[in-house]
Amino acid sequence: DGGITQSPKYLFRKEGQNVTLSCEQNLNHDAMYWYRQDPGQGLRLIYYSQIVNDFQKGDIAEGYSVSREKKESFPLTVTSAQKNPTAFYLCASSDPGLDNEQYFGPGTRLTVT
Amino acid sequence: GQQLNQSPQSMFIQEGEDVSMNCTSSSIFNTWLWYKQDPGEGPVLLIALYKAGELTSNGRLTAQFGITRKDSFLNISASIPSDVGIYFCAGQLRYGGSQGNLIFGKGTKLSVKP
Repeated sequence: DGGITQSPKYLFRKEGQNVTLSCEQNLNHDAMYWYRQDPGQGLRLIYYSQIVNDFQKGDIAEGYSVSREKKESFPLTVTSAQKNPTAFYLCASSDPGLDNEQYFGPGTRLTVT
Repeated sequence: GQQLNQSPQSMFIQEGEDVSMNCTSSSIFNTWLWYKQDPGEGPVLLIALYKAGELTSNGRLTAQFGITRKDSFLNISASIPSDVGIYFCAGQLRYGGSQGNLIFGKGTKLSVKP
């Protein structure tokens, strides 16, 4: 089955610690994205990558970092510099050469106390 | 950043009723997408629209790409309990020859009438 997996589903961290969220896809998509969702809000773009070894900042990149060493993987690190890290994080992928429709993973809920 | 105005913010449905929601923007979009999100899950793509005036159906769902390219609506006919959830619209701009990123509305929350 092709799809996007995010792990873990729930993540708890103490304030001041960095934490890395996993995102893997086997859709053979070139582009991958990270979004943040807060209650009652739409999705806000954190980082995106159109191709391996390249990525760009989205609208709210401060306090986050990413890497794209493999086509299938796009991990997101939430650093201690992120002032309000508790949120629902969604990863997506798309094929820009085709229709560029974005497909989402199941999300990771991060709680920082 | 740019935003889409999605309305209504929330609505209650009774089984069998038709439901309508829409998104408007001050900017022109080249693509409109409609997603549904269940609690604690990722959004699922329902319908994609690529041409002004395009009307597309997916089962009981029908969506249209507005002629002005600044709006889109989604209709759900004969609603059923599993239709509850949050529906998001998303628009995509295109700059020159490259694709822009998706811009999301804040969602329309469908709940069952008490």
